Amino acid sequence: DQQVKQNSPSLSVQEGRISILNCDYTNSMFDYFLWYKKYPAEGPTFLISISSIKDKNEDGRFTVFLNKSAKHLSLHIVPSQPGDSAVYFCAAVNYNTDKLIFGTGTRLQVFP
Amino acid sequence: EPEVTQTPSHQVTQMGQEVILRCVPISNHLYFYWYRQILGQKVEFLVSFYNNEISEKSEIFDDQFSVERPDGSNFTLKIRSTKLEDSAMYFCASTLSVRETQYFGPGTRLLVL
Repeated sequence: DQQVKQNSPSLSVQEGRISILNCDYTNSMFDYFLWYKKYPAEGPTFLISISSIKDKNEDGRFTVFLNKSAKHLSLHIVPSQPGDSAVYFCAAVNYNTDKLIFGTGTRLQVFP
Repeated sequence: EPEVTQTPSHQVTQMGQEVILRCVPISNHLYFYWYRQILGQKVEFLVSFYNNEISEKSEIFDDQFSVERPDGSNFTLKIRSTKLEDSAMYFCASTLSVRETQYFGPGTRLLVL
């Protein structure tokens, strides 16, 4: 079941630069999307979400973009900080349910 | 800030034994979930629970699994007869309203030998 895909398993970015994490989905019934950050041995921590009626949502250093026609979303972190180093998961929700369908995650490393 | 808590943080058990994983959701939340992550794989939905009954469950959540909210604060996941392939991190999550943000606990690492 590959309804939500994160094709880049890892990303390395210099501190202060922009980090762009990508996520693709196949199910057109998804109407709500979330990004979570996860440190080792901890649970996922919510970062930001977007409804399918929007194409952008911003919260501080984090911005999520949604391109429904391409079934693609991205998370921009700017400026990146070393504390952002973690695994980032995108998750999607079908319109008639509330279970989260997760991607496989992208490990972000921000180096000085 | 309110948070979801889970106990134990680690559990080692023998194959065939019963385990109970415990969660205390955020106090005013009404919707509760269990997810699991097998090492190296994605986080997978197991079950959702609302108003003292299961609202949705995945194919993974077979007859060996059960959930309960025994006392209005705890939310438990029971695996009746554990298998080697049940070894995973188990995460509890809760939310105030359906389709709102789900907040996750730190997880219980279950190892079945």
